[in-house]
Amino acid sequence: QLQLQESGSGLVKPSQTLSLSCLVSGDSIVNDAYSWSWIRQPPGGALEWIGYINHRGSAHYNPSLGSRVTMSLDSAKNQFSLTLRSVTAADSAVYYCAREVRLANYFDPWGQGILVAVSS
Amino acid sequence: DIQMTQSPSSLSAFVGDSISITCRASQDLHGGLTWYQQKPGKAPKVLIYTGFTLQSGVPSRFSGSGSGTDFTLTINSLHPEDSATYYCQQSYTTPFTFGGGTKVEI
Repeated sequence: QLQLQESGSGLVKPSQTLSLSCLVSGDSIVNDAYSWSWIRQPPGGALEWIGYINHRGSAHYNPSLGSRVTMSLDSAKNQFSLTLRSVTAADSAVYYCAREVRLANYFDPWGQGILVAVSS
Repeated sequence: DIQMTQSPSSLSAFVGDSISITCRASQDLHGGLTWYQQKPGKAPKVLIYTGFTLQSGVPSRFSGSGSGTDFTLTINSLHPEDSATYYCQQSYTTPFTFGGGTKVEI
């Protein structure tokens, strides 16, 4: 059964860098039927797609985040990562990793989510 | 970006009722619409994709319809466990965008 598990720092200081990883078990991250996405949700708020990285390691980001975001793929560890630079309080959210089914561009399954707070 | 507007933002219903949630996009989605269910403290789960295709394992009381810019999620014969927040997501083009959610209380 496919499972995704986020890990990383739950507290980041303003202007610093948020770094998260997502370990995938039960499927290969280089399966070309899928891409691998990050999605976030502020407390009590709606969902925002951050971007995806495909099996070849090519990434596509939400323009709303500008040049602050980078994603990478580690096929040896079967995991992918998110880096968000110059964070502010507005970046505080639950961050989810998810598999994107490329055939129809929907997200399934999702990791359990990790709460990241930006605070000094 | 494609804007997604859900209505209503919340509703209350009784066990056994049928309800509908609508999602309107700011442009034609060409069928690219996904519905998710999210329970408190949990990640969203996909219910329906391509506007009407039921995800494996999802009860048949859930159904999706619509085309163009207007889509509807219908839940027939509500169960207590259907209490959740429901989100639509346009899966037509990047950046993928979500509706604001509809909180359903049973």
